[in-house]
Amino acid sequence: GAGVSQSPRYKVAKRGQDVALRCDPISGHVSLFWYQQALGQGPEFLTYFQNEAQLDKSGLPSDRFFAERPEGSVSTLKIQRTQQEDSAVYLCASSSGRYQETQYFGPGTRLLVL
Amino acid sequence: AQTVTQSQPEMSVQEAETVTLSCTYDTSESDYYLFWYKQPPSRQMILVIRQEAYKQQNATENRFSVNFQKAAKSFSLKISDSQLGDAAMYFCASEGAQKLVFGQGTRLTINP
Repeated sequence: GAGVSQSPRYKVAKRGQDVALRCDPISGHVSLFWYQQALGQGPEFLTYFQNEAQLDKSGLPSDRFFAERPEGSVSTLKIQRTQQEDSAVYLCASSSGRYQETQYFGPGTRLLVL
Repeated sequence: AQTVTQSQPEMSVQEAETVTLSCTYDTSESDYYLFWYKQPPSRQMILVIRQEAYKQQNATENRFSVNFQKAAKSFSLKISDSQLGDAAMYFCASEGAQKLVFGQGTRLTINP
């Protein structure tokens, strides 16, 4: 594909609902990253995949957050029992290689938890 | 742990003038990369410029250039001939252990 795509672009959830955010990386990109960006802040790392292997999930804020990339391409970030503090923009990025390659970002999903 | 600090929450510049955005970082990595990303209101992070820490030569990309001072752990971005389309949030980031660590951002306004 031409770039990283994410869906949905906007999601409104009631507190306690589960949500799933999708990321389609650039075709052929090995590495995939998820970041969380609170309003007025810089993005913060959540988790990282190399192909289908989740190599780093140190940034996931709680066990309510779960990410997967079962076939090494599309990834889903799932948030269970959403809370108001989960409201943020969730950014996905991909890079072509395994080491120190430039990350290209998608447009993000804005999540609002009411 | 890596940290990135952008001390200028907001900057403004007249169209066609030059502006410099500041960034300092701290890292324990011996081999790392530094980036400037631009984020317009559409939210999409766009790569502006990238610097490999092992290279002494400052990176340039058309109107954008960096002043990389490795010993001082400083990585500033210079935008020459500012254009209205340059208005955005600018984020400095360091890369280590595969993940990016971002600063808080600088909002750049271009005055016509």
